[in-house]
Amino acid sequence: AQSVTQLGSHVSVSEGALVLLRCNYSSSVPPYLFWYVQYPNQGLQLLLKYTTGATLVKGINGFEAEFKKSETSFHLTKPSAHMSDAAEYFCAVSVFTGGGNKLTFGTGTQLKVEL
Amino acid sequence: DAMVIQNPRYQVTQFGKPVTLSCSQTLNHNVMYWYQQKSSQAPKLLFHYYDKDFNNEADTPDNFQSRRPNTSFCFLDIRSPGLGDAAMYLCATSRDPNVGQPQHFGDGTRLSIL
Repeated sequence: AQSVTQLGSHVSVSEGALVLLRCNYSSSVPPYLFWYVQYPNQGLQLLLKYTTGATLVKGINGFEAEFKKSETSFHLTKPSAHMSDAAEYFCAVSVFTGGGNKLTFGTGTQLKVEL
Repeated sequence: DAMVIQNPRYQVTQFGKPVTLSCSQTLNHNVMYWYQQKSSQAPKLLFHYYDKDFNNEADTPDNFQSRRPNTSFCFLDIRSPGLGDAAMYLCATSRDPNVGQPQHFGDGTRLSIL
């Protein structure tokens, strides 16, 4: 079964510092991977996705992620954190199931940005 | 803007009293999903529709039902809500059922049970 694991349920960075949120996947087939962000009392917003092709994926709001097959990782980074980046971030893998693609999410990482 | 709209944003019901949550989309997507997200947890898929074909997750309680009368609308019915059903319910859509298609989420309905 395909799954993702997010290391660190809470990450705290200073404004302007590098953001690194970790995600490792488990899959017997090439995975389709996503990062979503969730602000309080809102739905999930797609940050970026990896399907095939280029392993460095650029997303919205200055985020990017690199697919590393050798490390089974898909870590999310942003060079310089902004206060508005404080939110919960979910890594997810797409799995086909009975008529639709199902997203299996990691447990989430709460990002706190401090002045 | 094309989007996924959930109504109401907040819903309060009584223990055991049936409740219906609604979702509409202007994306004209073929697949609609319902997720349950409890506090500080990841969203968990309850079921989804591919066009009119209904697909239930194996561990979704029988208490939860869904209807999709047309492409644009999908409803989540909870027949006899229990305290454990208090959660955020998220509706999502995707253009087609192919693996790798991104899902587009609404802002959710937060359900409270008295």
